[in-house]
Amino acid sequence: DVKVTQSSRYLVKRTGEKVFLECVQDMDHENMFWYRQDPGLGLRLIYFSYDVKMKEKGDIPEGYSVSREKKERFSLILESASTNQTSMYLCASSSITGVIQPQHFGDGTRLSIL
Amino acid sequence: KQEVTQIPAALSVPEGENLVLNCSFTDSAIYNLQWFRQDPGKGLTSLLLIQSSQREQTSGRLNASLDKSSGRSTLYIAASQPGDSATYLCAVANDYKLSFGAGTTVTVRA
Repeated sequence: DVKVTQSSRYLVKRTGEKVFLECVQDMDHENMFWYRQDPGLGLRLIYFSYDVKMKEKGDIPEGYSVSREKKERFSLILESASTNQTSMYLCASSSITGVIQPQHFGDGTRLSIL
Repeated sequence: KQEVTQIPAALSVPEGENLVLNCSFTDSAIYNLQWFRQDPGKGLTSLLLIQSSQREQTSGRLNASLDKSSGRSTLYIAASQPGDSATYLCAVANDYKLSFGAGTTVTVRA
């Protein structure tokens, strides 16, 4: 079974702090994704990566950056946290084969910015 | 831009009743459609994936259909149980990225 592990279930940070959210997958997947989930808005894609050191912006990249130095690890960085970044953050991974494969999700990190 | 809509937003049924959850999407040029389950405060669990060339997929009490030309998918859950209470999300892939609906929150009353 694919396992996607997010380093923290709950995180509380202060406005202006630099925040790192970590995600690790154990299935050698090429693709990794970061989403945020807000009530009434559903899941929205922040960034995704299709290979080491490769990244593409999703629908809402403003205020975020990402890092993928190793295939199994994808980090989301809030450069200067703001209260409107309080949300549930979900990481996912998928493989590349002849057909698009399902995405597998971690348990999420609930981030509160005070 | 792909828009995904799920109706109804919430549903409450007595145990044993069959569940019908609807998903519609605006761009029919999809690669696949995926149904997920989400329990409160948790991540997403993949239930079924239907490739664009398929019309339906089944897993146990779950059956999902896909009508790509009309931009619709339906998830059927037979003989619902209280353990089926959760939020169900539909997501469509136009490439490697998914577009999600807002979900249908299901409550099954014992």
